[in-house]
Amino acid sequence: DIQMTQSPSFLSASVGDRVTINCKASQNINRYLNWYQQKLGEAPKLLIYNANSLQTGIPSRFSGSGSGTDFTLTISSLQPEDVATYFCLQHNSWPTFGAGTKLELK
Amino acid sequence: EVQLVESGGGLVQPGRSLKLSCAASGFTFSDYNMAWVRQAPTKGLEWVASISYGGSNTHYGDSVKGRFTISRDNAKSTLYLQMDSLRSEDTATYYCAREVFDYWGQGVMVTVSS
Repeated sequence: DIQMTQSPSFLSASVGDRVTINCKASQNINRYLNWYQQKLGEAPKLLIYNANSLQTGIPSRFSGSGSGTDFTLTISSLQPEDVATYFCLQHNSWPTFGAGTKLELK
Repeated sequence: EVQLVESGGGLVQPGRSLKLSCAASGFTFSDYNMAWVRQAPTKGLEWVASISYGGSNTHYGDSVKGRFTISRDNAKSTLYLQMDSLRSEDTATYYCAREVFDYWGQGVMVTVSS
């Protein structure tokens, strides 16, 4: 199985801050990496697919980058509604997930 | 609007069975491979099983292989997960999703405990 190491586990930031979350794959996954946002009691919401493609309807402050083994989700200017848990998913082979990053407002 | 609504969760004793359902709407169900994913309390997400759009091909994670069965009824736009020989470590919230993992349900809780 491909292991996904996500960092940090917790993140505290202020409104307007630039926020980055990272996922590292244990082997090359090309660009088969998605990013999700999950709020308490809600279904996960797809933000970014195939490493850097913005899902329809997602604000442009969200962006993704990377390929191979190292990937980054960036929120360019944090908004209060962005408080959530974020996780990555690799779908290069049988899907595996990052452990999640809980994002809070400072 | 794509909707996936899980049902059938609850409290069950170890060794017993439970069947989850996922009702799909807002898209042509028979065009998509589907999957189940679970998340144990305070743990990360784990892929459980996938099924091809026609239902002929299924795949399972190692932790559920031989105990769980994924199936679908395209006429009813419904995905199923039959869970047998349940263990305490199967306690989790179970999500159904399109296998492109673009849309997910809100999840259903399964608790395995005596």
